Amino acid sequence: GENVEQHPSTLSVQEGDSAVIKCTYSDSASNYFPWYKQELGKRPQLIIDIRSNVGEKKDQRIAVTLNKTAKHFSLHITETQPEDSAVYFCAASKGQGGKLIFGQGTELSVKP
Amino acid sequence: NAGVTQTPKFQVLKTGQSMTLQCAQDMNHEYMSWYRQDPGMGLRLIHYSVGAGITDQGEVPNGYNVSRSTTEDFPLRLLSAAPSQTSVYFCASSFPLSGDIRYGYTFGSGTRLTVV
Repeated sequence: GENVEQHPSTLSVQEGDSAVIKCTYSDSASNYFPWYKQELGKRPQLIIDIRSNVGEKKDQRIAVTLNKTAKHFSLHITETQPEDSAVYFCAASKGQGGKLIFGQGTELSVKP
Repeated sequence: NAGVTQTPKFQVLKTGQSMTLQCAQDMNHEYMSWYRQDPGMGLRLIHYSVGAGITDQGEVPNGYNVSRSTTEDFPLRLLSAAPSQTSVYFCASSFPLSGDIRYGYTFGSGTRLTVV
């Protein structure tokens, strides 16, 4: 079945630096790749997503890139701030099927 | 518009007891899913539904049942609770993807379940 691997499991950066989180997926039919942010004790919140028909998408300080050939996608956060500290999850889906599989999560810590 | 509502927020069960976690959404979403979240293991899919009357198994379905008699409700039943089912459970809902419209899953606030 579909499998999503996420690395690293923890990431610590200085405020203002960039952070990159990488995910790989197993099912080549996957065509929808969202990223979620979860703060401590709260629910996951969608922050950005990308479809398989584009290679990159940006939203202010956040960007996601997709390499369909290699079956991997990445989250890039620039100019990190302490409020970016959270657990980030990638996920993959075949879109119409409704089944969304998550990676194991990355705990990002941004030090002031 | 309340979004996705889960009840209860907290629950303690004894081994062998049964219970139902409730999930309701008022956004007319077709897709609904149940996930469990355990430390270091991310969000694992238990069961999901693509519409009323249609359900399917996810990654970790054993010990759980679901039904989808209406678009709004998607309850998760634990048949005989075990300590291994201690976890935080999230319900989520979404529209099917269409064109360029962004349709990510909306999550409920979660149910923290402890089985002793």
